[in-house]
Amino acid sequence: EAQVTQNPRYLITVTGKKLTVTCSQNMNHEYMSWYRQDPGLGLRQIYYSMNVEVTDKGDVPEGYKVSRKEKRNFPLILESPSPNQTSLYFCASTGTGIYEQYFGPGTRLTVT
Amino acid sequence: QQQVKQSPQSLIVQKGGISIINCAYENTAFDYFPWYQQFPGKGPALLIAIRPDVSEKKEGRFTISFNKSAKQFSLHIMDSQPGDSATYFCAASGGSNYKLTFGKGTLLTVNP
Repeated sequence: EAQVTQNPRYLITVTGKKLTVTCSQNMNHEYMSWYRQDPGLGLRQIYYSMNVEVTDKGDVPEGYKVSRKEKRNFPLILESPSPNQTSLYFCASTGTGIYEQYFGPGTRLTVT
Repeated sequence: QQQVKQSPQSLIVQKGGISIINCAYENTAFDYFPWYQQFPGKGPALLIAIRPDVSEKKEGRFTISFNKSAKQFSLHIMDSQPGDSATYFCAASGGSNYKLTFGKGTLLTVNP
């Protein structure tokens, strides 16, 4: 089954404790991205990757890092989480020329 | 700067009625306009999409109307059903990085 998976699905952590949210896709897609969803704000892009080793900032990159060492994986790293990063995070992927983006199930992060 | 404006924020419709959600965009470089449907606890899923070379696209009960000169597009859900109750996001994309710029979302409730 073609899908985007994220782990963990739920995470509660404390301010300053480094965490990683993993994202993996099995569709051989070149393009992957991370979005955060906040009430009343919709989805906003954090980072994206056009292909392996190629990443760039989206609209709200502050406080986040990403890496793309393999085509199928695109982890999101919060080196020093803060309460304003409490949000619902989605990973998405698409292939060249496809345009439809496939979203993962989401990771709900709470930073206290 | 909000590049895609979506209205209304919430919408209540009776079963069998027509649901209409509107979006307006600013960036004339956008050339792909999808609508995503999101159920609670799930990631957004592509519902229907349109390119600016056509004024209307219909898939089953769902229709996108597109007005390029007004920079507006809308989603019409005919014969709305309780199972259509979800949050709907319009989005726009253009250029080579596949980035989706989302509206803030519309919570649709279809009463039985």
